[in-house]
Amino acid sequence: GAVVSQHPSWVICKSGTSVKIECRSLDFQATTMFWYRQFPKQSLMLMATSNEGSKATYEQGVEKDKFLINHASLTLSTLTVTSAHPEDSSFYICSARRGQAPGEQYFGPGTRLTVT
Amino acid sequence: AQKVTQAQTEISVVEKEDVTLDCVYETRDTTYYLFWYKQPPSGELVFLIRRNSFDEQNEISGRYSWNFQKSTSSFNFTITASQVVDSAVYFCALSPGAGANNLFFGTGTRLTVIP
Repeated sequence: GAVVSQHPSWVICKSGTSVKIECRSLDFQATTMFWYRQFPKQSLMLMATSNEGSKATYEQGVEKDKFLINHASLTLSTLTVTSAHPEDSSFYICSARRGQAPGEQYFGPGTRLTVT
Repeated sequence: AQKVTQAQTEISVVEKEDVTLDCVYETRDTTYYLFWYKQPPSGELVFLIRRNSFDEQNEISGRYSWNFQKSTSSFNFTITASQVVDSAVYFCALSPGAGANNLFFGTGTRLTVIP
């Protein structure tokens, strides 16, 4: 159990367009979902934390108007990169927290975004 | 402030050698959790272990073992008799507080096991 999927696994888009990435917990309800960003050969940086039905909490330095997060249900969170630019090209990873066990996060396979 | 340091950027070992990946952390919280994750070339993070700050017992799981020492704020990871399939990037992470909601990752150590 505890499978998290992401769609798409990779996407190429043109500068100025918007891209939506979905994160789903397939076999459990996620009280909280997290979005991370990973640049090549670098660590994961937390972008935002979202709880179902409420606004996401963004980390310092992350533009909330650029990275729109919607957590519409206990199994789905979406990240929309609006007006994407080449510097937004990165590996985006979501994770979902199951239950209240400390740190019990399950990670999705990631989405590689390339903005041309 | 929370910080995780993995000083070893890249390590190469020959198959069957033992290898230790270092992790040093900083936090002011008295309750916190430490993690190790494996990220193979496919990109998906694989959970390896979680340890809370009150449990300093070392743990062994097959070829993997972990040494947690609060006195030196370290949580090192040893792979015994390494195999090619162990080649990956390994991340150490810290989650402060009892709720352990946020994960702070180290910069990762890329391990290459040479056949």
